[in-house]
Amino acid sequence: GNSVTQMEGPVTLSEEAFLTINCTYTATGYPSLFWYVQYPGEGLQLLLKATKADDKGSNKGFEATYRKETTSFHLEKGSVQVSDSAVYFCALSDPIQGAQKLVFGQGTRLTINP
Amino acid sequence: KAGVTQTPRYLIKTRGQQVTLSCSPISGHRSVSWYQQTPGQGLQFLFEYFSETQRNKGNFPGRFSGRQFSNSRSEMNVSTLELGDSALYLCASSLGRTREDYGYTFGSGTRLTVV
Repeated sequence: GNSVTQMEGPVTLSEEAFLTINCTYTATGYPSLFWYVQYPGEGLQLLLKATKADDKGSNKGFEATYRKETTSFHLEKGSVQVSDSAVYFCALSDPIQGAQKLVFGQGTRLTINP
Repeated sequence: KAGVTQTPRYLIKTRGQQVTLSCSPISGHRSVSWYQQTPGQGLQFLFEYFSETQRNKGNFPGRFSGRQFSNSRSEMNVSTLELGDSALYLCASSLGRTREDYGYTFGSGTRLTVV
């Protein structure tokens, strides 16, 4: 079945450091890929998405590129801020199994120290 | 515009009881999905409704059910509650028509505690 594997956390960085959170996936079809962020006590917020190979999603300084050859969708940011501290989830939806159904990774907790 | 609204925010129920959670999607969104979030299992898909019809269902027992009304509001029901049903239940909405529509907007969730 479909699955998403994320880099183990927690991740702790200093402000202005470069961030990478790795995400790889297994899917039967050609999935859409997403990154969501969850702040304490809140639901998920869509951070960015990509619907086909080589697409780059970007938002709020975060970027991720859909790499079909390596089945990856790594999240990057050039200079993190304390306000980026949250849990980040990589997810996919596969039209073969129903585009409506998101399959999530286990989440990566990110802490940014001032 | 208003986001996805889930009520109530918190619930405490006793084993064996049943519970109903409510979700109001963003205006114009016809797809509503439900997810369960627990520390052990992470985020798991429960079901999705589009125009009052269930389009997809996850691997949960029949105690978990849902429905969608003509105004796209959705409810989920859990009967015969078990301790393991304690979780954050998240509702998400989208336009739901094409692949490009997907990228859900989530509500803040209902925190259910079963004692």
